[in-house]
Amino acid sequence: GAGVSQSPSNKVTEKGKDVELRCDPISGHTALYWYRQSLGQGLEFLIYFQGNSAPDKSGLPSDRFSAERTGGSVSTLTIQRTQQEDSAVYLCASSSQGGGGYGYTFGSGTRLTVV
Amino acid sequence: DAKTTQPTSMDCAEGRAANLPCNHSTISGNEYVYWYRQIHSQGPQYIIHGLKNNETNEMASLIITEDRKSSTLILPHATLRDTAVYYCIVSQRGSNYKLTFGKGTLLTVNP
Repeated sequence: GAGVSQSPSNKVTEKGKDVELRCDPISGHTALYWYRQSLGQGLEFLIYFQGNSAPDKSGLPSDRFSAERTGGSVSTLTIQRTQQEDSAVYLCASSSQGGGGYGYTFGSGTRLTVV
Repeated sequence: DAKTTQPTSMDCAEGRAANLPCNHSTISGNEYVYWYRQIHSQGPQYIIHGLKNNETNEMASLIITEDRKSSTLILPHATLRDTAVYYCIVSQRGSNYKLTFGKGTLLTVNP
C-alpha cells in the first residue's frame, strides 16, 4: 500500500481482556517498529523487527506484551490481560532499511482505551 | 544514543520563518541528527536529517553547528498546518539502532 496501515483505529476494551493490534507496513520495507504514546507523553519504543533477524524486544514493558511479524510483512502486537495503564496510542512504523534514522514512515496509530 | 534538549514550546507568526533549536552536546562522531514532527492525532512524519553539513529539502533546512553540539531546524515560511510537535533525535545508523523520541517542541503557528 501507499502507507503504513494500522487497525483498528480505535479500540475500547475491558480491563483483563486480551487485545490484538495490527500493522501493515509499506510493501518491501524490511524493518518494522512498534511504539506507544501515552497522553501528553513522547513516543516509547516497544519492539523492532528487521528481516529474518531476531526481534529487538527490549522496550516491551512486561510479559503481557508480545508481537510477531508473519512472512516479513504484517505484524500483530498482542496485549494480554489489559490494564488501565496500557491505555495509549500504539504506533507502527516501517522503513526500507533497518536501524536508526532511515526515514521511518509511521501509521496513524491505534488508540487503545482500557476501561 | 546522545540525549537532546529542546524548548517545550515556541510560537511563530504565519508566513515568518520558524527556527527550532536543539542541543545535543554529547553527540558522537558517527551520530546523525534527525527531525520528525507530529501533527495532532497523527503519527510522526520524517522531515530531514544530517551528519555535519547543512541540509535542505522541500520541507525544511537543517543547520548544524561546526562542533555539532547543536542544530536548528528552519521552516522558511511557516503556515498554520505546520503547527505540530517537532522532535530532534540523534542516532547512529545501522541495524542495531532505533530512534528514541523525547518530548519535542510544540510549535504553534499563529495567524
